[in-house]
Amino acid sequence: AQSVTQPDIHITVSEGASLELRCNYSYGATPYLFWYVQSPGQGLQLLLKYFSGDTLVQGIKGFEAEFKRSQSSFNLRKPSVHWSDAAEYFCALLTDSWGKLQFGAGTQVVVTP
Amino acid sequence: DGGITQSPKYLFRKEGQNVTLSCEQNLNHDAMYWYRQDPGQGLRLIYYSQIVNDFQKGDIAEGYSVSREKKESFPLTVTSAQKNPTAFYLCASHNEGPITEAFFGQGTRLTVV
Repeated sequence: AQSVTQPDIHITVSEGASLELRCNYSYGATPYLFWYVQSPGQGLQLLLKYFSGDTLVQGIKGFEAEFKRSQSSFNLRKPSVHWSDAAEYFCALLTDSWGKLQFGAGTQVVVTP
Repeated sequence: DGGITQSPKYLFRKEGQNVTLSCEQNLNHDAMYWYRQDPGQGLRLIYYSQIVNDFQKGDIAEGYSVSREKKESFPLTVTSAQKNPTAFYLCASHNEGPITEAFFGQGTRLTVV
């Protein structure tokens, strides 16, 4: 069965500190993976995506993610967070070629001064 | 600019009433999706359509209905049979391969009063 797990419901990080959000997936074929960010009351914005090739993927807003097949993981990282990074982050798995997505439950990120 | 427009942004419904949420896209995408978002549960798929005049049930279709009479439009009706309709609803579109990404609207917050 296909699934996406985000183990951390809530993370608090100080401004300027590094951030890592975890995502684990279960899928029987080559996974196509995404990270989205959502500000309160807004839609989802794509941060980055992994389809194949390099396992370290660069995205917008200074984010990057590393795909590790052996660990079934696709963790999102940012070296130094800004207050504007406070948001909810979703990991998603593409489950068909038409764009059907399986989402994790999300991780809420709070940034403290 | 191309994108997805959801309306209204906020919607209030009395118990026992049907309401329709609008979703329009000018991206020329074939596939469109409706997701429901509840706190701590991520996004769950309600209905999707990969071509005009055809649509499929997602994981939580009970109490909802859709139509796809035009490529650009995919309205969602929340019927009185939906027991707990208060939620944030997101519409998305995606073009079939080569693999790109899903684009999301800004959402509609539905509240039952």
